[in-house]
Amino acid sequence: GAVVSQHPSRVICKSGTSVKIECRSLDFQATTMFWYRQFPKQSLMLMATSNEGSKATYEQGVEKDKFLINHASLTLSTLTVTSAHPEDSSFYICSAVGPNTGELFFGEGSRLTVL
Amino acid sequence: QKEVEQNSGPLSVPEGAIASLNCTYSDRGSQSFFWYRQYSGKSPELIMFIYSNGDKEDGRFTAQLNKASQYVSLLIRDSQPSDSATYLCAVELTGGGNKLTFGTGTQLKVEL
Repeated sequence: GAVVSQHPSRVICKSGTSVKIECRSLDFQATTMFWYRQFPKQSLMLMATSNEGSKATYEQGVEKDKFLINHASLTLSTLTVTSAHPEDSSFYICSAVGPNTGELFFGEGSRLTVL
Repeated sequence: QKEVEQNSGPLSVPEGAIASLNCTYSDRGSQSFFWYRQYSGKSPELIMFIYSNGDKEDGRFTAQLNKASQYVSLLIRDSQPSDSATYLCAVELTGGGNKLTFGTGTQLKVEL
């Protein structure tokens, strides 16, 4: 099956710094990727839809200036959490639409801890 | 009303029993329904998807969909301790675009 890889899997940063998380489709091209956030014991909440070559579409309540998304190539989308604060600590997961059936393939997730 | 609702559990079943996981959704126009399994600290993995009313079987798993009642379920036969995880119901709402709305998940514990 299609493989989606995220990096880093874990990151700890100081409050006020910015953190970049990468999402790569390893063996297929993905024009559309999705970014989710999951707090402990809660469900995945869609943050934004990342479209290759165009601006991301953000869900209601998600600050686009704080969560910068770039989808510059067909295999890479990045999420940058700018000026991170402790409340941004969460599990960030990306998914990509697969090449044939439209199935979503998830990355391994990136756990962000902001001190 | 939440768009996708699940009982958070935990649901405890003995090894070898049938586990029944339920999910209701509010968008009557939804067409695609998914069950994901998520182990603690890991990302979700797809178990099954279902588009049509009725049952769909894959090994020990059976998904059931009733669009009239806006209800989708997952049955796990011969439950194993390795099935212990959180099961997420996801719905592609009207308008699609592969955007999924997830329920909060049901924690399943299969006990020896």
